[in-house]
Amino acid sequence: EPEVTQTPSHQVTQMGQEVILRCVPISNHLYFYWYRQILGQKVEFLVSFYNNEISEKSEIFDDQFSVERPDGSNFTLKIRSTKLEDSAMYFCASRGTSGTKSYEQYFGPGTRLTVT
Amino acid sequence: QQQVKQSPQSLIVQKGGISIINCAYENTAFDYFPWYQQFPGKGPALLIAIRPDVSEKKEGRFTISFNKSAKQFSLHIMDSQPGDSATYFCAASYSSASKIIFGSGTRLSIRP
Repeated sequence: EPEVTQTPSHQVTQMGQEVILRCVPISNHLYFYWYRQILGQKVEFLVSFYNNEISEKSEIFDDQFSVERPDGSNFTLKIRSTKLEDSAMYFCASRGTSGTKSYEQYFGPGTRLTVT
Repeated sequence: QQQVKQSPQSLIVQKGGISIINCAYENTAFDYFPWYQQFPGKGPALLIAIRPDVSEKKEGRFTISFNKSAKQFSLHIMDSQPGDSATYFCAASYSSASKIIFGSGTRLSIRP
């Protein structure tokens, strides 16, 4: 069964450093999302991406964050200057466009980001 | 308006029992209500979902009950098994392209 993959599984970085989290969505999906989950809390929406542009973003997704689809398979989240409060699990999700499953978002296993 | 309220925060059920998790929402524009199951260190996995034009949906041991007038929906897990021990999130979305808004989660433990 197709699945969303994410790399790395765990990233440790120092405050102020840039990090790039990578995702490979399901191949025929066209909508892509990033969510984050601070330890023990609920999953929060960050950004959605369609047709090579951001379609929606949350208040969390400030100027320090950016997303990109650099090629036909990868979808990346960049944090330019990490802060301690960016420590969280980051999930990528993707969604198809048609049929009865068009609402269903499929999540990757996540990247645990630790900012020290 | 954007929130989905979930209860209880944690739940312990004996093996073979029924687990019930409840959620409520305010935004009547929501038109898709999924439940996600999450095991430690893993991403949320879609378990079952319902649209507001039906009052109940059943898939195996999992049932969603939906009360549109009360703006509430619930997940019932019949014959609960130790392998069902996980965190469950209710969620809502208001368009086919929209973000998913998650509830706060319920940590379910099934005692053998």
